Amino acid sequence: DVKVTQSSRYLVKRTGEKVFLECVQDMDHENMFWYRQDPGLGLRLIYFSYDVKMKEKGDIPEGYSVSREKKERFSLILESASTNQTSMYLCASSFPGWSSGNTIYFGEGSWLTVV
Amino acid sequence: GQQLNQSPQSMFIQEGEDVSMNCTSSSIFNTWLWYKQDPGEGPVLLIALYKAGELTSNGRLTAQFGITRKDSFLNISASIPSDVGIYFCAANTGNQFYFGTGTSLTVIP
Repeated sequence: DVKVTQSSRYLVKRTGEKVFLECVQDMDHENMFWYRQDPGLGLRLIYFSYDVKMKEKGDIPEGYSVSREKKERFSLILESASTNQTSMYLCASSFPGWSSGNTIYFGEGSWLTVV
Repeated sequence: GQQLNQSPQSMFIQEGEDVSMNCTSSSIFNTWLWYKQDPGEGPVLLIALYKAGELTSNGRLTAQFGITRKDSFLNISASIPSDVGIYFCAANTGNQFYFGTGTSLTVIP
């Protein structure tokens, strides 16, 4: 069964703290994604990675960085958390774009509150 | 990034009624996907469509990949209370996925 696991479901952090959100997938997918989901704004892409140590900026990369040291693991880093980063964060993975019948699978989500 | 046009934004229906929602775009896609998201949870894949014109069912759910490759619809027949949630579409081309803003479904017992 397909599995994308996000390490933290609920976090509360203080303004200025460094925050790590971890994600692991067991499907041997090349592509991994981090999205942010806010009411009325839908899913917005923060970063994605199409291979180990490779990363591409999405639509809203400011204030975030990512790390992909192993194929199965993709981490989202908030260098200095701010209150406007309070949100639901979703990790996802898929096969490469050239593969036919491509599907994206999501983790359970991480609720981050910055106070 | 590009968003898909999803409608309706919300629906309030009686238990037992059928539901229909759709997504459209001005772009052509290779894959259309439909997800359900419960409050506080991640999206769960309901149906995947990989071929223009394809009609696929999953229990009471039926979805179709539009022949123009620019749209898709999802139908839910004989709704039940556990169908409550947000449904959204996704479409794929290349390495990128694009998403609808969701349809919030409320089922009144």
